Amino acid sequence: NAGVTQTPKFQVLKTGQSMTLQCAQDMNHNSMYWYRQDPGMGLRLIYYSASEGTTDKGEVPNGYNVSRLNKREFSLRLESAAPSQTSVYFCASSELTLYSNQPQHFGDGTRLSIL
Amino acid sequence: QKEVEQNSGPLSVPEGAIASLNCTYSDRGSQSFFWYRQYSGKSPELIMFIYSNGDKEDGRFTAQLNKASQYVSLLIRDSQPSDSATYLCAVKGYSTLTFGKGTMLLVSP
Repeated sequence: NAGVTQTPKFQVLKTGQSMTLQCAQDMNHNSMYWYRQDPGMGLRLIYYSASEGTTDKGEVPNGYNVSRLNKREFSLRLESAAPSQTSVYFCASSELTLYSNQPQHFGDGTRLSIL
Repeated sequence: QKEVEQNSGPLSVPEGAIASLNCTYSDRGSQSFFWYRQYSGKSPELIMFIYSNGDKEDGRFTAQLNKASQYVSLLIRDSQPSDSATYLCAVKGYSTLTFGKGTMLLVSP
């Protein structure tokens, strides 16, 4: 049982390049999330998908797009990477949270550096 | 803007002592509260959650919630060096969590 799997684990990009971070979960969860974590800033929500077919902006969505490909997969795309997007990115999933107290389970993270 | 505040630390305690980690939140309508532990270079892992006023115990961990004071805490009894990590408080809103910046705990042998 892998839980939440993120790929790649590490990536170095040049400014202006694009890339997609992949996330898949095998826990049959309805909700999925993308966070970034920067030193001294804590975890900040970029986008989330409360259920298959829906996506919503979080606290820091600018410069990112997401796709909920199916119930298992939720990808994060940087169309034109900027040095300010250097961060550790975490994907998480949970049961549908609207009416429950289910916790979120995190992947191992993607460490992204943009030069 | 919903806010979750934690003392950044580090909080230093000797092995065997009780570590007390605190968190305050701004949204009075918040219903659920989570504590995550994050080791350096690793992802957050859930320790416990609480949604009723009072105490909830799980092994060496006790979460305490006071909704009137908008305050949640985590007590770690018999602290071990392996407890050294950053502890994140998270507060559930309508459908998302808001995280505090975390408190670093250092347990010295």
